[in-house]
Parts: sequence; C-alpha cells; structure tokens
Amino acid sequence: RKEVEQDPGPFNVPEGATVAFNCTYSNSASQSFFWYRQDCRKEPKLLMSVYSSGNEDGRFTAQLNRASQYISLLIRDSKLSDSATYLCVVTKGTGGFKTIFGAGTRLFVKA
Amino acid sequence: NAGVTQTPKFRVLKTGQSMTLLCAQDMNHEYMYWYRQDPGMGLRLIHYSVGEGTTAKGEVPDGYNVSRLKKQNFLLGLESAAPSQTSVYFCASTYLQGNEQFFGPGTRLTVL
Repeated sequence: RKEVEQDPGPFNVPEGATVAFNCTYSNSASQSFFWYRQDCRKEPKLLMSVYSSGNEDGRFTAQLNRASQYISLLIRDSKLSDSATYLCVVTKGTGGFKTIFGAGTRLFVKA
Repeated sequence: NAGVTQTPKFRVLKTGQSMTLLCAQDMNHEYMYWYRQDPGMGLRLIHYSVGEGTTAKGEVPDGYNVSRLKKQNFLLGLESAAPSQTSVYFCASTYLQGNEQFFGPGTRLTVL
C-alpha cells in the first residue's frame, strides 16, 4: 500500500463547478500536510498547508481528519486556470524526517 | 531572487554515458533535495542534504551520486546512465524540514 494515495482522476468539470479531492495517508505519526499544485511540464508549487482546524484561502478549502487519516481539498467556483495536477504531501518526523508526495490528481476545467 | 535554478533543462544521453545535473538556490536554505518524477508515480526522493558537506540517501539512490560542496549548490551525478533513469528530475530546497519546499523548473532526461 502506498504511504500517500490519491485518486489519479482526471476530474473533468465545467467552469463554476465545485470539485473535491481526497487523499489518504498510512502513517498515523504524520505531522505536516500540504497541497501542492503542478501545472503541465512545470514544477510543483505550494498551494496551501493543511491545518487540523481546517483552513480556507479564497476559493480553496483544505481539511484534515487525523482519526481517518485523510486530507481533502475543495475548490469552489472552478476557473479554467485551476486546470492542473494537485499533489497531496505528508511529512513525518518520527524515525527520520520524511516528506512523501502523492502521485497527484489531475483536474481539467472546461468552458 | 532567482529561487531554485537547474541546469540543463533538457538532455539526451546514450546508455553508459555520464552527466551531472546542477541545482542552485539563492535563499540560504540548509536543506536540499533531488527527486525524480515518473508518470503515475509521486515524486521520489533520490538523495538529500541537510547542510553544506553532508548528503544522505533517499528512497531511490541507486545509480546516482551527489555532492554539496557549497551551501547554495547541490549536484546530482549519473555515472553510467541507463534507460530506467529516463525521467524528469526536480531539485528542491527548504529552510526547515517539514516546511514548504521550493522547486526548480526540472531537467528532462532521456537515456537511449
């Protein structure tokens, strides 16, 4: 089983739609959680950190459920420019610091 | 600030050839990483460094070597390239482990 698992998609949604991505992680000692965005043939860039209390940045909302070991990302009012791959990232510091990247979920927003 | 830069951007090698990928960062970050990214797989850590003069193995270190002689530079070497090393290579750096990682633009390597 992969340490961080995501639905690869692709998710095809119309502009203005709300779309949600989930990510599960296997190590309960995981400490930090992030969503990165990666455009086609570009490098990953941080979209937002994920906090236990949940956090929002404009149209984006991230939530963490430690008990069930999953992270979610909700995008409201999708824009064409949201088309990208979204990477779930988990870090843990027990037994040696480690950052694990999910394989990513592809999103296509169409007009 | 240029952030994280990588050279070259593209390279084609023949099996058995060697090459060095250069990563440079101007953010005074202690931690630097080399990843490879293949279709359908997440970024996989090849080697990393927690400071000048130190290196450590990551998840997939075989066939690669690294050096961090200066804080701002992290070099990745392929001594004898194999087709299985065809991939996109990303360098990243961060100020503290567990914080945001800043990535370079990547190097697309094809080994024939």
